[in-house]
Amino acid sequence: GQNIDQPTEMTATEGAIVQINCTYQTSGFNGLFWYQQHAGEAPTFLSYNVLDGLEEKGRFSSFLSRSKGYSYLLLKELQMKDSASYLCAVRDSNYQLIWGAGTKLIIKP
Amino acid sequence: EAQVTQNPRYLITVTGKKLTVTCSQNMNHEYMSWYRQDPGLGLRQIYYSMNVEVTDKGDVPEGYKVSRKEKRNFPLILESPSPNQTSLYFCASSPIPGQGGHEQFFGPGTRLTVL
Repeated sequence: GQNIDQPTEMTATEGAIVQINCTYQTSGFNGLFWYQQHAGEAPTFLSYNVLDGLEEKGRFSSFLSRSKGYSYLLLKELQMKDSASYLCAVRDSNYQLIWGAGTKLIIKP
Repeated sequence: EAQVTQNPRYLITVTGKKLTVTCSQNMNHEYMSWYRQDPGLGLRQIYYSMNVEVTDKGDVPEGYKVSRKEKRNFPLILESPSPNQTSLYFCASSPIPGQGGHEQFFGPGTRLTVL
């Protein structure tokens, strides 16, 4: 079966750095997405990785290792507004998105 | 403004009373999809559509119907709602998924309660 694993919840301090991991086992691979979702709101796109390596976009970076079935989202200089759930999703061989359950990130002052 | 709209945003209904949740996008996207989101389970796909008159089942299609008569609209129909369909529903759209990093754009969500 297809599976995406992420930690359920993480806590970090304002101004710090946090890394959210995602491991996956899917039927084929056509890219990995990270989305941010604030409570009660729609998911919004953060990043896309299809090749191995690091993609940097401001305070957020995303890393992919296809051989290990592994990705992480790195958030720097954490702000209170970063408190949200972070969803990892993999596009499989049929180009359908398989979603992880999400990681709830709690930022403390 | 490019967007996906859903209506209603909130709905409380009773078991067996047919309902429709509308979804519309103004980005000329070919691909549209319906998800439900339940605590601890993440997003689960109900149905998707690659283009007009083309629809396919997702992971949890039982109890739902969809139609795609126009490119912009993708309504979700619950013919006889049951309490286990109480959930948060999202509609999403994107260009045809392919080799590019086409992200999905999500509607604001519909919170449905079936009593």
